[in-house]
Amino acid sequence: RKEVEQDPGPFNVPEGATVAFNCTYSNSASQSFFWYRQDCRKEPKLLMSVYSSGNEDGRFTAQLNRASQYISLLIRDSKLSDSATYLCVVNRIRGSQGNLIFGKGTKLSVKP
Amino acid sequence: GAVVSQHPSRVICKSGTSVKIECRSLDFQATTMFWYRQFPKQSLMLMATSNEGSKATYEQGVEKDKFLINHASLTLSTLTVTSAHPEDSSFYICSARDRGTINGYTFGSGTRLTVV
Repeated sequence: RKEVEQDPGPFNVPEGATVAFNCTYSNSASQSFFWYRQDCRKEPKLLMSVYSSGNEDGRFTAQLNRASQYISLLIRDSKLSDSATYLCVVNRIRGSQGNLIFGKGTKLSVKP
Repeated sequence: GAVVSQHPSRVICKSGTSVKIECRSLDFQATTMFWYRQFPKQSLMLMATSNEGSKATYEQGVEKDKFLINHASLTLSTLTVTSAHPEDSSFYICSARDRGTINGYTFGSGTRLTVV
């Protein structure tokens, strides 16, 4: 089983739509969680961190459920510029070090 | 903010040759850097963790003799793909640990390697 699993996608939505992405992680010892955005042939860029209390950044809302090891991202009022691949990322702690484990990503395509 | 410079951004090489990719932290010291590889439509896969002044830690299935990592200073880590083959063609991305950023990691812009 992969450490981080995401909706396969792709999601093709019209402008203005609300879209939700889901993600599960297998390592219950994971400590921090993120959503990254990756544009085609570019490096991933941090979109937002994810907290158990839920957090919102403009049109983006992220939620973490530690009990079910589930992470979500909600995008409201989709814009054309939101088209990208969204990566669910978990910080794995191993020994004294941590490193990021990436999900495969969910591709979002927002159409006019 | 923290910047990681990765060079080259794109390289085409012949099969059997070696390619070196550099990753530099420009305005902070990075005792730990990470090397990822991403094949088309796949996730970023961690290849190795590079520690300044010591040997890199490789992930399972990554050949340490093929992917040589050197982290000789606090601002530079290099990945050398030795005796490259077409199946090594991929997008290689480095990341540096920076405690000044939100989640402590800053990514380079990636290197697209094509082996012909």
